Amino acid sequence: GEDVEQSLFLSVREGDSSVINCTYTDSSSTYLYWYKQEPGAGLQLLTYIFSNMDMKQDQRLTVLLNKKDKHLSLRIADTQTGDSAIYFCAETLGTGFQKLVFGTGTRLLVSP
Amino acid sequence: DTEVTQTPKHLVMGMTNKKSLKCEQHMGHRAMYWYKQKAKKPPELMFVYSYEKLSINESVPSRFSPECPNSSLLNLHLHALQPEDSALYLCASSQEAGYGYTFGSGTRLTVV
Repeated sequence: GEDVEQSLFLSVREGDSSVINCTYTDSSSTYLYWYKQEPGAGLQLLTYIFSNMDMKQDQRLTVLLNKKDKHLSLRIADTQTGDSAIYFCAETLGTGFQKLVFGTGTRLLVSP
Repeated sequence: DTEVTQTPKHLVMGMTNKKSLKCEQHMGHRAMYWYKQKAKKPPELMFVYSYEKLSINESVPSRFSPECPNSSLLNLHLHALQPEDSALYLCASSQEAGYGYTFGSGTRLTVV
């Protein structure tokens, strides 16, 4: 199937690191993405990683990719209350990789 | 211009109405997408247009009718919708299939 799995909920304190995990389905996916969605809003692209990379760092964000286990993670350093949102991982599937399929979403709650 | 613009932001329509959602981008992207997102769920792909031609229809009911008049514009025509069609409708575009997705902020549709 096309189920991309994420844990439902993560709660951290301000200043801590957050790690959001994702298990995807297709080892041939070329790009894997992380999106952020705040209440009532659209999707904001946070970062992405190409499938031939193991790690990508972008300011407070670190993406780790384990292709063997089809596991993707997003680490947010020094988490702030403004990081509270739903985080979706997504993979590209299908002929020409035209389908962007989203994970189930992880709600991150950052408390002061 | 690095945005995908969707109008209207909110829409309330009756089950006998006909309405249209509009999506516009001026980034030169050649692939455009419609996604549907129900509350507390991930976005689900509805349609993909590649070079102004419909390339993917995810078995969407015919009461939803997409149209791509030119490379910058994507419409979704709505007719005889049901209350369960109430959702956030997201438009996206990408440079090419599988890479560089940009999402609009969505149209929140309520069918009464």
